[in-house]
Amino acid sequence: DTGVSQNPRHKITKRGQNVTFRCDPISEHNRLYWYRQTLGQGPEFLTYFQNEAQLEKSRLLSDRFSAERPKGSFSTLEIQRTEQGDSAMYLCASSGRTSGKATGELFFGEGSRLTVL
Amino acid sequence: EDQVTQSPEALRLQEGESSSLNCSYTVSGLRGLFWYRQDPGKGPEFLFTLYSAGEEKEKERLKATLTKKESFLHITAPKPEDSATYLCAVRGNAGKSIFGDGTTLTVKP
Repeated sequence: DTGVSQNPRHKITKRGQNVTFRCDPISEHNRLYWYRQTLGQGPEFLTYFQNEAQLEKSRLLSDRFSAERPKGSFSTLEIQRTEQGDSAMYLCASSGRTSGKATGELFFGEGSRLTVL
Repeated sequence: EDQVTQSPEALRLQEGESSSLNCSYTVSGLRGLFWYRQDPGKGPEFLFTLYSAGEEKEKERLKATLTKKESFLHITAPKPEDSATYLCAVRGNAGKSIFGDGTTLTVKP
């Protein structure tokens, strides 16, 4: 399967614990995005990378959230000291280029569902 | 600030009953308007990209159109398998896509 892969698919944790999610994008895609989605809402932008550089991080994102994309391949999203309000689906997406231009079309993984008790 | 508003929030149709979903947007320098389909518990699936006013794209029973302020997703003679949440997103000069909250479509046989 050459689609976007996310792990784990489900994570249940207690308040105050740290969690880490991993995303493996489509191999030829240079951009990687993280979004968060709660029930009945659209995906909310968190951050994105072009290759290994983190180009933007949402102002709404607290310092407890950090993302990395070492070597421009897979990415990790870590949430420290989780709170119940962090419960959501965390979506990863990647996008590529056509004729040298970024297409903007996002290809999403199945998501990682976080439940904070 | 880039913004997307979708209406209605929910739409129930009988099989074969055509209708349209609306996406109103404000964006600084439109670099693409995108439609996605999302099934429960899954990630969104890309459907269409529109770049300029007057552009149209079609795929099976779906047709997307674009004006300077809004986009429509027309569904012709829908089937129960078209039931899903349809998301609209815009990408502007900031380089990231901003999503609306979606329209949940239910098609009854």
